[in-house]
Amino acid sequence: DSGVTQTPKHLITATGQRVTLRCSPRSGDLSVYWYQQSLDQGLQFLIHYYNGEERAKGNILERFSAQQFPDLHSELNLSSLELGDSALYFCASSVSSGNTIYFGEGSWLTVV
Amino acid sequence: AQSVTQLDSQVPVFEEAPVELRCNYSSSVSVYLFWYVQYPNQGLQLLLKYLSGSTLVKGINGFEAEFNKSQTSFHLRKPSVHISDTAEYFCAVSTGANNLFFGTGTRLTVIP
Repeated sequence: DSGVTQTPKHLITATGQRVTLRCSPRSGDLSVYWYQQSLDQGLQFLIHYYNGEERAKGNILERFSAQQFPDLHSELNLSSLELGDSALYFCASSVSSGNTIYFGEGSWLTVV
Repeated sequence: AQSVTQLDSQVPVFEEAPVELRCNYSSSVSVYLFWYVQYPNQGLQLLLKYLSGSTLVKGINGFEAEFNKSQTSFHLRKPSVHISDTAEYFCAVSTGANNLFFGTGTRLTVIP
């Protein structure tokens, strides 16, 4: 158990809908990262937050957004969902940038 | 920019045989290197990491990796594999600034 908690573990939704994925980082970790894992794209970095502030953006679509709250949990919002958004979404955390990143179990999103 | 190349997408090996999973990286700055393992239907688990110091790094489950700066490689090895080592293995690089860049993964299949 990495200490990073993600909910829900599985989610099935229809195209055009919006979903929110939630992540609780390890106790004491200030950095939260989101990754997407799909068969055709592999593991892609989406976005990084540190202590509530956005620090870096990767291959995140404009339909997607994230935030980190004062209690350090984070949410990834995915809107206007398309079939191609079906993937495993990982949250990860670290104490700060430059430290080891620990991953949650992921949230499986299926868009039908 | 950083990139990671995992040269083998699939590696079958017999139980108790040695295995090497290859990883090469490119970066214009100093990097930190990681190997993660993903067991079926699970999240990513850190196997080992190279941050600095000794180039031979020992990790969990009997795995080790050697950082070779001149060859820009970080190959993962285990002298004797078990059935339970069957999983997907990801090499990743970080500049320490923000996030991890992953390779495409190597699926290790241990044959009884």
